[in-house]
Amino acid sequence: AQKVTQAQTEISVVEKEDVTLDCVYETRDTTYYLFWYKQPPSGELVFLIRRNSFDEQNEISGRYSWNFQKSTSSFNFTITASQVVDSAVYFCALSEGGGSNYKLTFGKGTLLTVNP
Amino acid sequence: DTGVSQDPRHKITKRGQNVTFRCDPISEHNRLYWYRQTLGQGPEFLTYFQNEAQLEKSRLLSDRFSAERPKGSFSTLEIQRTEQGDSAMYLCASSLRAGLDTQYFGPGTRLTVL
Repeated sequence: AQKVTQAQTEISVVEKEDVTLDCVYETRDTTYYLFWYKQPPSGELVFLIRRNSFDEQNEISGRYSWNFQKSTSSFNFTITASQVVDSAVYFCALSEGGGSNYKLTFGKGTLLTVNP
Repeated sequence: DTGVSQDPRHKITKRGQNVTFRCDPISEHNRLYWYRQTLGQGPEFLTYFQNEAQLEKSRLLSDRFSAERPKGSFSTLEIQRTEQGDSAMYLCASSLRAGLDTQYFGPGTRLTVL
């Protein structure tokens, strides 16, 4: 069975600090997809990134970067120079491929608070 | 360009009443998913449709829950004889196709059962 663990329940930083959100996953499939979603106080889940299991290249998008390491089954998310608007709950999610329904299995989320 | 929409956004009901939620996916998305999210938890999969066919239901979906997607467009999720444990955020997501697709979520319907 697939599982996603986000060990950090809450993180609090001061604006402009860098912060890394950890995500560890478990799956038996060789084909799978990893996601990060942001859930601001309004409640809507906002898609941030998708990664497939065959692409271990790290990705950078503005202040956001993602580090995918299959050897440690981790898909960590770093926000550089954090801003107050980054305050939200962040979810890591896993979707198995290989003919499955591609349903998402989410971690419990990390509440990030960025203080001015 | 419209995203996934859900109606209502909030629903307060008394225990034992029936409730129905609606989800309108992104146009031309043929996959539609329902998830439930309780306080402090990540969303949990309930069921999904490919076009009008309901292809999988989670064991979380008791007999009191039923979902439909007539004509493969919008979907409804009905809960009969609501219980206080049904209080949660019900999220709908859609994706264009199977495989390399991303699920885009609606704003959710927050259900409170008194």
